[in-house]
Amino acid sequence: EVQLVESGGGLVQPGGSLRLSCAVSGFTFSDHYIDWVRQAPGKGLEWVGRSRNKANRYITEYVASVKGRFTISRDDSQNSLSLQMNSLKIEDTAVYYCARGSDSSPMDVWGKGTTVTVSS
Amino acid sequence: SYELTQPPSVSVSPGQTARITCSGDSLPKKYAYWFQQKSGQAPVLVIHEDIKRPSGIPERFSGSSSGTMASLIITGAQVEDEADYYCYSTDSSGDHRVFGGGTKLTVL
Repeated sequence: EVQLVESGGGLVQPGGSLRLSCAVSGFTFSDHYIDWVRQAPGKGLEWVGRSRNKANRYITEYVASVKGRFTISRDDSQNSLSLQMNSLKIEDTAVYYCARGSDSSPMDVWGKGTTVTVSS
Repeated sequence: SYELTQPPSVSVSPGQTARITCSGDSLPKKYAYWFQQKSGQAPVLVIHEDIKRPSGIPERFSGSSSGTMASLIITGAQVEDEADYYCYSTDSSGDHRVFGGGTKLTVL
């Protein structure tokens, strides 16, 4: 069974840092993209970033609002991916999801999400 | 930046056809994807590459695309289809990946 499980969410002060993890199972991790998507309370979905697959040299992409603050890295040996979030802002408060994808079918399987709250 | 525009809400009676639209300037060149999100749950991909339905998605879900507008069509909507629906695509350069604002579908 294909599974993605996020962890690492919590309460952090503005300006602080947090590292989210996405543990995957049930598929060949290196063959797939992994996207991070967030959803602020009561709001819609926002694409945050992507780690492409091995064939695409694991290139990472980010939405403009997090570029320079967030970093995606992956460890194929551990079947896990992380989202390092620095210089956090109140507007980063959201549920963060990781999702598996490919060129033809982005975000075809999602995790259940982990909640990040940025507040003083 | 790039934007996809959806109506905030659509309402139909059970058994009727629901159509949710998504407009964007790059949709003639880029595929649209559709996600269903029920209350308190993670999103689920229901349509990819404009018209393709992933395995396990009921046949009543279909997609279409013409010009700058893509549509999700639910033929014979059921009460259990009540959810928020989001379209997703990229701009023509592929540099901006965005979701539409979402459409709340009410079936009652």
